[in-house]
Amino acid sequence: EAQVTQNPRYLITVTGKKLTVTCSQNMNHEYMSWYRQDPGLGLRQIYYSMNVEVTDKGDVPEGYKVSRKEKRNFPLILESPSPNQTSLYFCASSLSYSGSRVNEQFFGPGTRLTVL
Amino acid sequence: AQSVAQPEDQVNVAEGNPLTVKCTYSVSGNPYLFWYVQYPNRGLQFLLKYITGDNLVKGSYGFEAEFNKSQTSFHLKKPSALVSDSALYFCAVRALNRDDKIIFGKGTRLHILP
Repeated sequence: EAQVTQNPRYLITVTGKKLTVTCSQNMNHEYMSWYRQDPGLGLRQIYYSMNVEVTDKGDVPEGYKVSRKEKRNFPLILESPSPNQTSLYFCASSLSYSGSRVNEQFFGPGTRLTVL
Repeated sequence: AQSVAQPEDQVNVAEGNPLTVKCTYSVSGNPYLFWYVQYPNRGLQFLLKYITGDNLVKGSYGFEAEFNKSQTSFHLKKPSALVSDSALYFCAVRALNRDDKIIFGKGTRLHILP
């Protein structure tokens, strides 16, 4: 089944404790992205990747890191989480997203993160 | 800078009536426009997109959207609402240029009343 998976689905942690949220897609998609969803603010893009070893900042990158060493994986790293990073996080992938080749995104089920 | 506005936080429609969820955008150059739906405790699902061509775009679950360049709008519509259409709807835009960021609206919660 074609899908985007995220782990963990739920995470409660404490301020300053490094964490990683994994994201994997099995559709051979070039483009992957991370979003956070907050009430009243909708979806905001954190980082995106056009292909392996290519990443770029979205609108709210502060406090986050990503890497794209393999095509299928795009982990989100919080080196020192803070309470303002409590949110619902979504990973998404798309066949391509460059120039005129614009395809829809497939979203993972979400990771609800609480930072105490 | 590109932006998307969904002017209504919530829309209530009686079952069987037509529904419209509004979206306006601002972007330099030609826009790529998308609608996504989010059901409770789920990720977003793609409904439809406008890239080029016909201004009326048909998508999943009987939804359609009309691209209006002069009004910079991309409203989502359905002729006859179902209770199962109740969900959170997001409009998104990306400009055709070297910046590949995509901007999402804040979302509109659609309530279909039985």
